[in-house]
Amino acid sequence: KQEVTQIPAALSVPEGENLVLNCSFTDSAIYNLQWFRQDPGKGLTSLLLIQSSQREQTSGRLNASLDKSSGRSTLYIAASQPGDSATYLCAVRRRTGGFKTIFGAGTRLFVKA
Amino acid sequence: SQTIHQWPATLVQPVGSPLSLECTVEGTSNPNLYWYRQAAGRGLQLLFYSVGIGQISSEVPQNLSASRPQDRQFILSSKKLLLSDSGFYLCAWSVLEETQYFGPGTRLLVL
Repeated sequence: KQEVTQIPAALSVPEGENLVLNCSFTDSAIYNLQWFRQDPGKGLTSLLLIQSSQREQTSGRLNASLDKSSGRSTLYIAASQPGDSATYLCAVRRRTGGFKTIFGAGTRLFVKA
Repeated sequence: SQTIHQWPATLVQPVGSPLSLECTVEGTSNPNLYWYRQAAGRGLQLLFYSVGIGQISSEVPQNLSASRPQDRQFILSSKKLLLSDSGFYLCAWSVLEETQYFGPGTRLLVL
């Protein structure tokens, strides 16, 4: 059974700091991995999608890496800003059984001005 | 461009009442459609997904049901709501098994 864990559960950093959010999964037979952002009371916004054959994806100040063998992904945020404050969710799409998506519980990020 | 709509945005219902939440997608054809529930302080739980009209797969046994009467319309229903049905309901779409795009969500409170 695929389980997805995100560490830390919450993080508070000063503006300008570079930071790393972690996501681990128990079954390496994944189809892809997606990082989302969720603002309070809102839906999810897709940030990056990494296919199982890829090692990383970049979009602006965001960089996501994937290491299937160790069951880990990281989301790197460079030069954090107060507008980055949100909950970040990692989701793994499994390869078998209907491509079901399993979500982590998220990391709540607060960037202080 | 593609757009996903959900309504209502907020709903307060008594225990035992029926439920109907609607999701529609614009700007794409034959999308995969999904219903998720997010309980307070917990991760998203996949409830139903659909790969085509009339094709519904259920992931969690419960008193909820889903229907897809049209290609870009996905409906979540219940005949009798329970207190445990309270939560934030999110609809999403994707092209095959690629990037999922989420709607704004419906917050349901069952009293």
